[in-house]
Amino acid sequence: GENVGLHLPTLSVQEGDNSIINCAYSNSASDYFIWYKQESGKGPQFIIDIRSNMDKRQGQRVTVLLNKTVKHLSLQIAATQPGDSAVYFCAENSGNTPLVFGKGTRLSVIA
Amino acid sequence: KAGVTQTPRYLIKTRGQQVTLSCSPISGHRSVSWYQQTPGQGLQFLFEYFSETQRNKGNFPGRFSGRQFSNSRSEMNVSTLELGDSALYLCASTPQGGSGNTIYFGEGSWLTVV
Repeated sequence: GENVGLHLPTLSVQEGDNSIINCAYSNSASDYFIWYKQESGKGPQFIIDIRSNMDKRQGQRVTVLLNKTVKHLSLQIAATQPGDSAVYFCAENSGNTPLVFGKGTRLSVIA
Repeated sequence: KAGVTQTPRYLIKTRGQQVTLSCSPISGHRSVSWYQQTPGQGLQFLFEYFSETQRNKGNFPGRFSGRQFSNSRSEMNVSTLELGDSALYLCASTPQGGSGNTIYFGEGSWLTVV
């Protein structure tokens, strides 16, 4: 598994600004990707997913972009709010393999 | 529709003891996976069960085991607890498992080994 140490990468954004959280994955065979949000003391919460036959998918205030050429995934959050403060994880899998989680990013929203 | 339910939420055990954690998946979901989350190692896959059969297994010692019942509920057991087993244990469920199926997590069971 991936190492997510106490010193997570941190992104600090001003309330109302847009946030972009990036994730690099290593398995070129991965064909399904998910973004999770994890608040302190809680389990990961599903945000949005994307299959490898797409390069962009939009949800409510969130957009996921997938670049298979460079094996890169990003999560964009529009008009970031204090409630968006959390640790965000990307995860990937293919076939019947289990989800592999990437390094988390801590998003801190400055009011 | 109820989410993934894990019990107990918090527990403290002594080294050498064993512990059993329980998970009730979302209704209709047949695949249940377990993950261990620690600050140092992040989210690590333990095992996955589908239709009462272990389909995938992570790289954990044999002290970690699990099972799934006919109603899809799952339990995991850790025997001979070590201090390093202190972690958040997460259960996740999905209809069929595998790629393309959204995987939903429970709130986890916080295990402290003293």
